[in-house]
Amino acid sequence: GAVVSQHPSRVICKSGTSVKIECRSLDFQATTMFWYRQFPKKSLMLMATSNEGSKATYEQGVEKDKFLINHASLTLSTLTVTSAHPEDSSFYICSARDLRTSGEQYFGPGTRLTVT
Amino acid sequence: DQQVKQNSPSLSVQEGRISILNCDYTNSMFDYFLWYKKYPAEGPTFLISISSIKDKNEDGRFTVFLNKSAKHLSLHIVPSQPGDSAVYFCAATGSGNTPLVFGKGTRLSVIA
Repeated sequence: GAVVSQHPSRVICKSGTSVKIECRSLDFQATTMFWYRQFPKKSLMLMATSNEGSKATYEQGVEKDKFLINHASLTLSTLTVTSAHPEDSSFYICSARDLRTSGEQYFGPGTRLTVT
Repeated sequence: DQQVKQNSPSLSVQEGRISILNCDYTNSMFDYFLWYKKYPAEGPTFLISISSIKDKNEDGRFTVFLNKSAKHLSLHIVPSQPGDSAVYFCAATGSGNTPLVFGKGTRLSVIA
């Protein structure tokens, strides 16, 4: 099946710094990538939809200036958490939609961010 | 308003028996449904999907049933194995490049 990678898998940063998370589709092209955040004991929360070559669409309540998303190519999207705070500590997961299927999304392994 | 609901937060099943995970949805525009399995601190892994034109899809030990009139789908795992213990998310999407809408998940524990 299709593979999506994320880098880094874990990151610890200090409050006030910025962190960049990469999401790559390894063996297929995805015009759309999605970024999710998982809170403990809750479902995956969609943060934004990232379309290649255009601005990301953010869900209500997600600060676009804080969570910068760039989708530079058909295989790479990045999420930058700017001026990170401890409450940004979470598990961030990306997914990429396979153009060959109607709805199947392939998820990355996730990135655990800890802000100290 | 929760469009995809998994009303059972947890389920325990004995090894070798059948596990049945249920999911209900409210949006009649959904036409593609997926099940994901998730271990702690890992991304979800795709398990099986079903299009609204079908009412059943089978893949090995996993079978998904869709009842469109009831807006209900279920995932059957038989026989259940201890390695199946994980959180299972039901997800739905409509046409076009719309994101998945997830349920809150059901934690399955398969007891040896």
